[in-house]
Amino acid sequence: GEDVEQSLFLSVREGDSSVINCTYTDSSSTYLYWYKQEPGAGLQLLTYIFSNMDMKQDQRLTVLLNKKDKHLSLRIADTQTGDSAIYFCAERWDGGYNKLIFGAGTRLAVHP
Amino acid sequence: NAGVTQTPKFRILKIGQSMTLQCTQDMNHNYMYWYRQDPGMGLKLIYYSVGAGITDKGEVPNGYNVSRSTTEDFPLRLELAAPSQTSVYFCASSSSETQYFGPGTRLLVL
Repeated sequence: GEDVEQSLFLSVREGDSSVINCTYTDSSSTYLYWYKQEPGAGLQLLTYIFSNMDMKQDQRLTVLLNKKDKHLSLRIADTQTGDSAIYFCAERWDGGYNKLIFGAGTRLAVHP
Repeated sequence: NAGVTQTPKFRILKIGQSMTLQCTQDMNHNYMYWYRQDPGMGLKLIYYSVGAGITDKGEVPNGYNVSRSTTEDFPLRLELAAPSQTSVYFCASSSSETQYFGPGTRLLVL
């Protein structure tokens, strides 16, 4: 079945690293995404990874993909208060029309 | 390049009223989508379109209708609003690799 799971909440101290985890179920997914949603706003694409990659780094963001375990993680280095938001993991279902399947989101709280 | 725009930002409806949520994209994308986001939940797909004149149902289409007369516009219609349709509605369009989202329409049905 189609299901993307994430932990619901993460609290970190400013300056530490944050790691947000996600598991997905469709082994044929070609792309996996991380979106950020700030309060009252839409979803902002943070980064994505193609399924033939293990890792992708983009400034403070590092995405790790373990296809065997269907596990995706997002690491945010030097977490800042501006990183406080809800982070959604999504997989692109390969059955057509670029359908995305979203997790419920992880709320990241950054405290001093 | 405005990306994906949605109007209105917020609306209150009475039960049984109808309304149209507008969505426009200027990226010349063929694929467009409507999602709803309920509190504490991820996004659920309502309808999608793969090009002008072609639409299809997503996971939660009941109570909604769509049309796609142009590449740019993909309006979502609620005919008989119900309290269960209280939600935040997001429109998105897709390139070959990524989906881009509008800012959302917050709808309250009382």
